Amino acid sequence: EDQVTQSPEALRLQEGESSSLNCSYTVSGLRGLFWYRQDPGKGPEFLFTLYSAGEEKEKERLKATLTKKESFLHITAPKPEDSATYLCAVRVFSGGYNKLIFGAGTRLAVHP
Amino acid sequence: DAMVIQNPRYQVTQFGKPVTLSCSQTLNHNVMYWYQQKSSQAPKLLFHYYDKDFNNEADTPDNFQSRRPNTSFCFLDIRSPGLGDAAMYLCATSSPGQLYGYTFGSGTRLTVV
Repeated sequence: EDQVTQSPEALRLQEGESSSLNCSYTVSGLRGLFWYRQDPGKGPEFLFTLYSAGEEKEKERLKATLTKKESFLHITAPKPEDSATYLCAVRVFSGGYNKLIFGAGTRLAVHP
Repeated sequence: DAMVIQNPRYQVTQFGKPVTLSCSQTLNHNVMYWYQQKSSQAPKLLFHYYDKDFNNEADTPDNFQSRRPNTSFCFLDIRSPGLGDAAMYLCATSSPGQLYGYTFGSGTRLTVV
């Protein structure tokens, strides 16, 4: 069964304190791994797509990496505005079509 | 600028009273999805349309139905909402080859009283 697990469930950081979020996956045929940011009461907002092991993408204070079994979202010197839930999703081909399977997310709180 | 628009943002319905949530898109994407997201849980796929070709997930309750009258609009009907159906309902769109996965709307928060 295709599965996505994110850890930790919640993370509290001080402003400027770098850390990493983990997304591990078990899928039969990965067609891309996606990171989204979700603010309270809003829909997920796209951050990155990764397709192959060893690939890395960066945007401002965020950097996403991918291995064959997991992905990391590294946050360097976070600011309070980085507080949000970060969702990881894998795209798989199942039942004749592509679909995204999400993890439950990591709730990040960055305090001044 | 909004590309995937969900209405209403907040919906309160009575236990057992049918309710319809709507989604529209200006992206002309041919694939539309409905996800259910409960508090602190992963979004769960309910349905998707590839053009007018409808697919529902095996574990989507029979209480849920969907309609897509044209490319731009999609509706989620909950025939007899129960307390367990209270959640955020997310609509998303995509097109083949789209590199950034799905484009999501802001969601409809459904409360059942």
